[in-house]
Amino acid sequence: GAGVSQTPSNKVTEKGKYVELRCDPISGHTALYWYRQSLGQGPEFLIYFQGTGAADDSGLPNDRFFAVRPEGSVSTLKIQRTERGDSAVYLCASSLVGSQAFAYNEQFFGPGTRLTVL
Amino acid sequence: EDKVVQSPLSLVVHEGDTVTLNCSYEVTNFRSLLWYKQEKKAPTFLFMLTSSGIEKKSGRLSSILDKKELSSILNITATQTGDSAIYLCAVVPGAGNNRKLIWGLGTSLAVNP
Repeated sequence: GAGVSQTPSNKVTEKGKYVELRCDPISGHTALYWYRQSLGQGPEFLIYFQGTGAADDSGLPNDRFFAVRPEGSVSTLKIQRTERGDSAVYLCASSLVGSQAFAYNEQFFGPGTRLTVL
Repeated sequence: EDKVVQSPLSLVVHEGDTVTLNCSYEVTNFRSLLWYKQEKKAPTFLFMLTSSGIEKKSGRLSSILDKKELSSILNITATQTGDSAIYLCAVVPGAGNNRKLIWGLGTSLAVNP
């Protein structure tokens, strides 16, 4: 079946502009995650959705970043007044969430969106 | 502060060599440790190790969790050029529905023909 998809694959914008990054999770996956990965770094957690609600948004770096998932499927990460330091690959992942008896549900990653802020 | 440290940061080997990648962690309420392979953009899942499953093997790849030493190793035998990638280690800390992974920086492996 289809995996996680992200659009656009690349986005070049100018400093100060607004951008939206889209993630389509695997059908039926209730959990959705956004990460940011800079060159030479591991993925940095941004936000985690369980259904429509943000269960943990502690990774969002500041109030220029926010994300929505209005119908519990597609999610959009929105960045206002972009800065050069926002340049990175933004990864989205989704997973099934089973009972609390399971330590972890495998996260399936999308191909990412490479954001470049000039 | 929770952290995951991987070593070495980069490694260059020849086809056929065996490599061992290391991951150590300091987290509260350890739940599981994960290994991922990242070739271009998307990390792909390799193994999950928990207290009840401390050793996993798949083909030429195997991994062991040492809960006493708070570490894990990923072994790749008879390496191939297709094994060239960044290998990421992540730990799931906490209890309940916390799914926030703590990631290491990764080990960049290059396998030369």
